[in-house]
Amino acid sequence: GENVEQHPSTLSVQEGDSAVIKCTYSDSASNYFPWYKQELGKGPQLIIDIRSNVGEKKDQRIAVTLNKTAKHFSLHITETQPEDSAVYFCAASGKNSGYALNFGKGTSLLVTP
Amino acid sequence: GAGVSQSPRYKVAKRGQDVALRCDPISGHVSLFWYQQALGQGPEFLTYFQNEAQLDKSGLPSDRFFAERPEGSVSTLKIQRTQQEDSAVYLCASSRPRGLVGDTQYFGPGTRLTVL
Repeated sequence: GENVEQHPSTLSVQEGDSAVIKCTYSDSASNYFPWYKQELGKGPQLIIDIRSNVGEKKDQRIAVTLNKTAKHFSLHITETQPEDSAVYFCAASGKNSGYALNFGKGTSLLVTP
Repeated sequence: GAGVSQSPRYKVAKRGQDVALRCDPISGHVSLFWYQQALGQGPEFLTYFQNEAQLDKSGLPSDRFFAERPEGSVSTLKIQRTQQEDSAVYLCASSRPRGLVGDTQYFGPGTRLTVL
């Protein structure tokens, strides 16, 4: 089945700096890659997603890049703010995994003022 | 509009007890998913419904776990004879009406189950 690896597990940046989280996946048939933000005591919230027919997608301070050949995708957050502090999860899905999302283990991001 | 809701938010059970966890998906969403999230880990898929049909239950860890969605809206995840290893947050998600692979999944707040 699909295996998603996520790095780093923790990340601390100063307010205003950029943060980058990287994920790799194993199943070349995967074609959908969402990123979720999870705050303490809450469910995951989708922040951005990308499908395999594009290499990059941007939404204000958040961008995601996808390299299908290398089977990795990354989340970039620019101009970080303290409210960006949370756990971020990458996920992958495709026809071989049916409708299920396969999640990485998460990155705990801390943005210090 | 209203998002995915789950109840109860917290459940404490003694080992061996049965529990039932409820999920109310976003109105009109045909697809419903259950995930289990252990402490410090990412969510792991348990089962998937399209309307009332359970199309995939490959992630259910044992036959003590059972899920249903009899009328194609509200779903219940039941765990019989709970064990300590069942302690986790149980997340429900629903996706928009197309019901296709790659549809955005919207998550509820989860039910935190603690088995003593």
